[in-house]
This record gives sequence, structure tokens and C-alpha cells, in this order.
Amino acid sequence: DAGVTQSPTHLIKTRGQQVTLRCSPISGHKSVSWYQQVLGQGPQFIFQYYEKEERGRGNFPDRFSARQFPNYSSELNVNALLLGDSALYLCASSLEPYGNQPQHFGDGTRLSIL
Amino acid sequence: AQSVTQLDSHVSVSEGTPVLLRCNYSSSYSPSLFWYVQHPNKGLQLLLKYTSAATLVKGINGFEAEFKKSETSFHLTKPSAHMSDAAEYFCVVRPVMDSNYQLIWGAGTKLIIKP
Repeated sequence: DAGVTQSPTHLIKTRGQQVTLRCSPISGHKSVSWYQQVLGQGPQFIFQYYEKEERGRGNFPDRFSARQFPNYSSELNVNALLLGDSALYLCASSLEPYGNQPQHFGDGTRLSIL
Repeated sequence: AQSVTQLDSHVSVSEGTPVLLRCNYSSSYSPSLFWYVQHPNKGLQLLLKYTSAATLVKGINGFEAEFKKSETSFHLTKPSAHMSDAAEYFCVVRPVMDSNYQLIWGAGTKLIIKP
């Protein structure tokens, strides 16, 4: 079975540009979460979607937005990129967002801002 | 407030010796607990999860963790370290009675294996 897939794997942008990251969850998983991981730190929660609705939002500026599609795939958009947005962006999926359902992670998108 | 504390930022052991990575949590209710591993430049892989069925949980790659409610701990152990175990390990809590559903992450422990 395919795991969580993210695209692209690497991306280089310049300050002020916009970026869209994509995530396909494990088949049957209806919840998708996005995390930002800066080098040397743990993941920081950005968004969680379940059944196409936003169910949680972390402490990130409005430049960050996301959505979930009817097939449960998801996109993360970041506008007006800053140098500090350089990080590994991780997508995770789970059957449901609560209880003992673990999140399963993709390999991430490495975003570099020049 | 819910929290997770990984007591060591780095742990260094020799290959073939036991591994102990310590994790303490703070939660008003019995939480779900997870350990994840992250190898360099990779995503996070689930090692094991505690769901109240048994206090000793076995995971992949020979790892196991014991839930001790009285000590609010969920330490990760492995009897014999292998070079391939070198990675960052994260202890994660999901409070059960929390409508926010969010995972609470520890700061991570970097496991170093000496040959």
C-alpha cells in the first residue's frame, strides 16, 4: 500500500514568492495535518483538516493557508515567502484526527528560500 | 496544560548496548502516547503507540516502551543498539479528552551510536 506522498521533494524559491505544496494521504485516511520542521527542531503544527474542514490551526501567520479536496488530498500554500520559511514541510495522514489513531508521515518537502 | 518532556537532548551508547530514551508527560486524562523516529533528511516513522490495552508496548525494530501512570512516563528502550538506530526520536502525546485533537510533541532526543 502506498504511504503518504508529498510533492515536490525539494523546492527553491526567492523571498516574496508564493509556493504550493501537495500531499496525498494513505488510502482511506480522511485526516491530513501539516507541520513545519526547521533544522534541528521538532515539528511545529500548522493545520489539520478532517472531512475537508479545518479542524485545527497552529500559531502561524495568515500567509499560510491550506485546503483539503474531496479525495482527501491536501495543499499547503504559503504567500510572501520569507527567509525564515525555509524548512522541511511534513504532511501526515490518519484515519481520524482523534483517539489513538497515529499519524503517518510523508518524507516531506524541503523548501529553501533564497 | 498538557506537555511532553524528553529528558535528554542527546543520548550516546555503544553498538550492542541497551538504549533508554526518557519521556515524561503531563495530562489530565489517560492520553494516547506515541514514539516516532526520524532519520536524517527523512520524514517521521511511527515506532509504537500506547492505547491503554497493555502497559508494555512493542514496536518496530526491537524497540519497546512501558507506560507507567504513577510516574507519568513512557520511556523507550531497546536491548541492543544497532548502528542503524542512529536518529532523532520524538515522544508524542494526544490528550484523549481534548476537542482540539492536536498532538503534543517532545523536543526530541538524538541517539548517537558509537562503533
